[in-house]
Amino acid sequence: NAGVMQNPRHLVRRRGQEARLRCSPMKGHSHVYWYRQLPEEGLKFMVYLQKENIIDESGMPKERFSAEFPKEGPSILRIQQVVRGDSAAYFCASSPLSDEKLFFGSGTQLSVL
Amino acid sequence: AQTVTQSQPEMSVQEAETVTLSCTYDTSESDYYLFWYKQPPSRQMILVIRQEAYKQQNATENRFSVNFQKAAKSFSLKISDSQLGDAAMYFCAFWTGNQFYFGTGTSLTVIP
Repeated sequence: NAGVMQNPRHLVRRRGQEARLRCSPMKGHSHVYWYRQLPEEGLKFMVYLQKENIIDESGMPKERFSAEFPKEGPSILRIQQVVRGDSAAYFCASSPLSDEKLFFGSGTQLSVL
Repeated sequence: AQTVTQSQPEMSVQEAETVTLSCTYDTSESDYYLFWYKQPPSRQMILVIRQEAYKQQNATENRFSVNFQKAAKSFSLKISDSQLGDAAMYFCAFWTGNQFYFGTGTSLTVIP
């Protein structure tokens, strides 16, 4: 049973471009969470999704950021018109139920030039 | 507000010795879970130990144990017989039902 898979592991974008981060949860997991880690900080909650539904997006910036978890395929975190301040590690976690048993991916390091 | 405070940005320990990492938190919830995660340079978040808030008994996992003081909202991690592989960032976190709240981490160095 493969763990939570995130790709790409590293992503470099120029200011103004779009960044798409992918997360494939563990098999059988229908709950996905996205977290952002800025340098020398802990992980900050961004959004919680179930299949085809956004449950809680209270941690996600209102502009330029969006997330989806379609019925088929991975969860996608999309950042439009990236700025230098978006540079961070973005972690995805999944769980089989809405509980505390989260399994984390290895993160995507986004660098904005 | 839900907050987690790790007041030690960096700690070091001699190999085979014991080290304690501090963590305090604040929440108005009565039911929650507490965690310590380890993040090595590979960036993978690895669960070290987990504690249910309703349990008074402190959790232990081999060389790792916690000192959970619910009234004081304190949750420290003790690493015994430290090994070189324990070197990493350690994050304290708690879960209230919808999301995790993480501290800013403690960087642990193990000196051979």
